[in-house]
Amino acid sequence: EVQLLQSGGGLVQPGGSMRLSCSASGFAFSNYAMTWVRQAPGKGLEWVSIITASGLSTYSADSVRGRFTISRDNSKNTTHLQLNALRVEDTAIYYCATSPVTGSRYRNDFWGLGTLVTVSS
Amino acid sequence: QSVLTQPPSVSAAPGQKVTISCSGSSSNIAKNYVSWYQQFPKTAPKLLIYEDSKRPPGIPDRFSGSRSGTSAALDITGLQTEDEADYYCASWDTSFSVRFGGGTKLTVL
Repeated sequence: EVQLLQSGGGLVQPGGSMRLSCSASGFAFSNYAMTWVRQAPGKGLEWVSIITASGLSTYSADSVRGRFTISRDNSKNTTHLQLNALRVEDTAIYYCATSPVTGSRYRNDFWGLGTLVTVSS
Repeated sequence: QSVLTQPPSVSAAPGQKVTISCSGSSSNIAKNYVSWYQQFPKTAPKLLIYEDSKRPPGIPDRFSGSRSGTSAALDITGLQTEDEADYYCASWDTSFSVRFGGGTKLTVL
C-alpha cells in the first residue's frame, strides 16, 4: 500500500522559513518523481514544484521560484520542501504527491494527506 | 488566475450525464496529456483520469475523458450523489511546469 506521510507545517511569521517533509513507503520511491501541490483556503490546486526520480532536476512555479527548494533523499525515501521568505499568500495546505512520469504524460498517482502552513504575524 | 480554464460549477440530476470542460493553450493541452482529479471537502485529491482517457484501477467506467486541440473534457454518466465533489484538470506545460485548472464544483441535484 502506497503511503505518503507528511510532517512539518504550522504557524510562521512573514519572512520566516519552514521545512516540509514527505516520507514514502509501499512503492519504489527512487523510480518516481515527486511533486508538491498547494491549496490556499477555499481555493483551487496550485502546482508548486517537482523533483525528478534521480533528484538531478527540479522545476518550480514562478510564484515560489527562488524562495522554495525541493529536495529528496532516496536512501530515506523522503522528499522535502524548504520554504523561505514566506509570505501571507503562501498560506495553504501543502500536498506531496507521486509522479511516475514527468513531461507530457505527467500525473499524480498518489497524494499525501496534506499539511497546513499558515503565514501570519 | 489559472492557466487552464474550467467552469466554476456544473450541476445535473442523479442518473444524468455531465461534462466538465478544461481549456488550455498551445503550450500545455495542445501538446501534452491531461489528467483529472476528484477532491471531496477536507480531503486530498484523487487521480481520476490520466493520459486523457485512462482510468486507474478502481475508477468506475462512468468516468471518461477526452482531449482535442487545446481543450479536454471529463464526462460523468449515470450521476450519483456521491459524485458531488470538486474536479480539477491538469497538464504539463512547455515551460517545465504543471498547470492546474481552477476547479469545477459538481452538484448532483
